[in-house]
Amino acid sequence: AQTIHQWPVAEIKAVGSPLSLGCTIKGKSSPNLYWYWQATGGTLQQLFYSITVGQVESVVQLNLSASRPKDDQFILSTEKLLLSHSGFYLCAWRGQTNSDYTFGSGTRLLVI
Amino acid sequence: GDSVTQTEGPVTVSESESLIINCTYSATSIAYPNLFWYVRYPGEGLQLLLKVITAGQKGSSRGFEATYNKETTSFHLQKASVQESDSAVYYCALGAITGNTGKLIFGLGTTLQVQP
Repeated sequence: AQTIHQWPVAEIKAVGSPLSLGCTIKGKSSPNLYWYWQATGGTLQQLFYSITVGQVESVVQLNLSASRPKDDQFILSTEKLLLSHSGFYLCAWRGQTNSDYTFGSGTRLLVI
Repeated sequence: GDSVTQTEGPVTVSESESLIINCTYSATSIAYPNLFWYVRYPGEGLQLLLKVITAGQKGSSRGFEATYNKETTSFHLQKASVQESDSAVYYCALGAITGNTGKLIFGLGTTLQVQP
């Protein structure tokens, strides 16, 4: 069975500090990978997607970057956090054949 | 643009009462949108509750049901008798699942609190 693991579960970070959020998918080869984000009071929106190792497409510009260093790993990062980065981050995967999304448990980020 | 509007929460109902969470959508860039309801239980990730890909069809799962109404651009979630375990955040979403981007457009989410 496929599993998706996100880390950390929650973070409190200072403005201007770096951030790295991770996501690992096990049991599925060559998945499409996604990052979604929900600001407090806002809606979930897609930030990035990746269909293969080393290739990431940005959907929304938020001074964040994403990388896919391995087939089963998706990293979201920034060198300098902004207050506006606070919110809930979800990683997700889909099979290549238009299947349904499977979401991780999410990371709650508070920037102070 | 594409958007989803749903009932503002929190919604509080008593156990065994009926529930309806309204959802309306606008799909200007998606010719044949698929419609979804996702649920997030406390401490868990987002789970697909039900989906409907064809207008006029009804989806159902765990006692919940929703009908894809293209005329009224609605996809309301209903349940005849809620249980305390249904307490969660419910998201209505639309998307075009074909293609690699597969972007989902979500509503704001509706927090449901079921009182025993």
